[in-house]
Amino acid sequence: GDSVTQMEGPVTLSEEAFLTINCTYTATGYPSLFWYVQYPGEGLQLLLKATKADDKGSNKGFEATYRKETTSFHLEKGSVQVSDSAVYFCALTDSSASKIIFGSGTRLSIRP
Amino acid sequence: SAVISQKPSRDICQRGTSLTIQCQVDSQVTMMFWYRQQPGQSLTLIATANQGSEATYESGFVIDKFPISRPNLTFSTLTVSNMSPEDSSIYLCSVDTNTGELFFGEGSRLTVL
Repeated sequence: GDSVTQMEGPVTLSEEAFLTINCTYTATGYPSLFWYVQYPGEGLQLLLKATKADDKGSNKGFEATYRKETTSFHLEKGSVQVSDSAVYFCALTDSSASKIIFGSGTRLSIRP
Repeated sequence: SAVISQKPSRDICQRGTSLTIQCQVDSQVTMMFWYRQQPGQSLTLIATANQGSEATYESGFVIDKFPISRPNLTFSTLTVSNMSPEDSSIYLCSVDTNTGELFFGEGSRLTVL
């Protein structure tokens, strides 16, 4: 079945460092791809999304490009801040587009 | 967008008891979902609840253990029955507003002793 594999954490970086969190997927058809973020003590919220190949989702300085040829949707940010410390989940809609499947999550910690 | 309220936000329960979690949405939505997030784990879909029909359960989840109600387009409940410590998790309600994006409540953190 459809699945999402993402980089294991935790990831610890210094402020202003470059961030990449890898995400690859297995799916039949053409899923939509998402990154969700869960800040400490809060619920999940959508960070960005892409609905077709070569689309780039972006928000709050984060970007991810839907790469069909490599079945990837890596999350990047050029200069992270302490406030970016959170758990990041890569996700996709399943082949029936009736539900969203989540990866295992990557905990990111940013040192001042 | 959608604003989702869940109650209770947290609870501590005794083994063998049951707890009902409520989910209220500020707009009418067709599809509501219940997820479980065990400590340090990702989200696992328990069931999809559509108004006017029986909930659809994912593999590994059964109605006797997790009965769901969906009486109208803005409300749903999930009951965790005959609880054991393994049921200690965060239970999350989410909705799809037909944009392909899920909105989540803040979750109900359940601890079973």
